[in-house]
Amino acid sequence: QVQLQESGPGLVKPSETLSLTCTVSGTSIRSYYWSWIRQPPGKGLEWIGNFYYSGSTYYNPSLKSRVTISVDASKNQFSLKLSSVTAADTAVYYCACGKVSYYYMDVWGKGTTATVSS
Amino acid sequence: QSALTQPRSVSGSPGQSVTISCTGTSSDVGSYTHLSWYQHHPGNAPTIIIYDVSKRPSGVPDRFSGSKSGNTASLTISGLQAEDEGNYYCCSFAGSDTHVVFGGGTTLTVL
Repeated sequence: QVQLQESGPGLVKPSETLSLTCTVSGTSIRSYYWSWIRQPPGKGLEWIGNFYYSGSTYYNPSLKSRVTISVDASKNQFSLKLSSVTAADTAVYYCACGKVSYYYMDVWGKGTTATVSS
Repeated sequence: QSALTQPRSVSGSPGQSVTISCTGTSSDVGSYTHLSWYQHHPGNAPTIIIYDVSKRPSGVPDRFSGSKSGNTASLTISGLQAEDEGNYYCCSFAGSDTHVVFGGGTTLTVL
C-alpha cells in the first residue's frame, strides 16, 4: 500500500528557507497526485500545493510567491521549499497522495513539525 | 483565500446523530462536486471519509454520510461512537486559481 514519510529539519530561522522531503513507498511517484498540507498550532488544515508528475503544479495563492514543490522521480520523493519564513509558518507539515484527482488526499504521511525560531 | 466555514464544535451522546455543516460560496462548494471530508485524531494523520460530496471510501462505515445543498455541504454521523470523537474538516475544489480550500475544522465531542 502507499506510504508517505515526511522529513526535514525541525527548526528553521526566520527569513530562511524551510525545506521538507516526502518519501513515497508502495507506488511510483509517476502515478497519482501529490500534495502538501500544513496545520499551524491550534489551527486548522491549510492546503499548500499539489502536482501530478506529468501534469500541472498548483499552489495556494496566499503562499504562491514563497513556495516551490519539486519532484525527484529517481528517488521517488517530492519536496517542499518555503522561503522567507516567519513564526506564522510554524506548523505540522503533511504530505499526501490522491489516487483519483488533485482534489482528494487518500493517504497521508504522519506529518513533521517545523518550528520557525531564532 | 478564505477557509470554508464550519462550526467550531459539535457534540452528541453515543448512539445519537450529529451533523457538521460546511459553508462556502458559489466559487467553491456551490459550483463543484469535488467536496471531501477528513477525520483527524490529534497526533495521527488525517483520513478521508467522504469524497465527491457523498461517496465513502472502502472501509468507512455507512454511519458517515455527506450531502450538499447550494453553498453548504453537510457531514452526518449517525449512531455516534466514542471513537468518532476528533476533528473534522471539509475540503472543496475552488476553481483553477484557488484550487483547493479547507474548512476551519469542527471538533466533535462524544458525551
